[in-house]
Amino acid sequence: QVQLVQSGAEMKKPGSSVKVSCKASGGTFSTYAINWVRQAPGQGLEWMGRIIPNFGSTNYAQRFQGRVTITADESTSTAYMELSSLRSEDTALYYCARGQLIYDSFDPWGQGTLVTVSS
Amino acid sequence: DIQMTQSPSSLSASVGDRVTITCRASQSISRYLNWYQQKPGKAPKLLIYAASSLQSGVPSRFSGSGSGTDFTLTINSLQSEDFATYYCQQSFSTPPYTFGQGTKLEIK
Repeated sequence: QVQLVQSGAEMKKPGSSVKVSCKASGGTFSTYAINWVRQAPGQGLEWMGRIIPNFGSTNYAQRFQGRVTITADESTSTAYMELSSLRSEDTALYYCARGQLIYDSFDPWGQGTLVTVSS
Repeated sequence: DIQMTQSPSSLSASVGDRVTITCRASQSISRYLNWYQQKPGKAPKLLIYAASSLQSGVPSRFSGSGSGTDFTLTINSLQSEDFATYYCQQSFSTPPYTFGQGTKLEIK
C-alpha cells in the first residue's frame, strides 16, 4: 500500500521561497506521476504541476510557470515542490498526490503541508 | 485550459436521501473524469475514476456516470459520514488537470 508523507508546516516571509517534500513508501515510485495540488483557506483544489520521476518530465499550470519547480529523487523516493517569490496569496495547504497509470486519477494523497506567508 | 463547472455549489440533504451532483466540462473529455470527497481537515479521497469506476474500498452507494462533457455523481441512501465536499476533476490528455469548484453537501 503506497503512502505519501509530506514535510512539516512552514512559515515564510513574502519574497522568499519554500520547498516541500513528499516521500513515497510501500510501492513503486519512479513510474507514477507525482502531482502537486494546493488549497487556499476555505477554497477549492488547484492543480499546480507534476513530475514523472523516471523520465524527469514535468508539467506546470500556466499561472505558476516561472515560480514553481518540481523535482524528484528516485534514490529516496521523494518528490519536491519549490515555490518562489512567495506572496500572502500563496498561503495554503499543499498536497502531493500520485497519478494512476490509467486515467491519471490521484490516489493516494499526502497529508498536506501548510505554508503560511506573512511578514 | 479545460474548465470544469460543478452544480450545485452547496446542497442540503438528510440521511437516507439520494443526491446527485453534476459536473460539466468546457470541451469533450471522453471519460477522463474523476470524483473526490474531502472532509474538513483531511486530504481529498478518490471515489470514482474514469467517470464510473468505483475506487477500491468505496461503498457501492456511490456511483458515477457520463461521458463527453456532462457527468454526474450519485450517492444513494446518504449516510452521516457522506457529508463532505465533493470535487470533480478532468484528467484528459496532457495537463493541466483542472478541478471543479466543489459541492458542499450539508445535513438538512
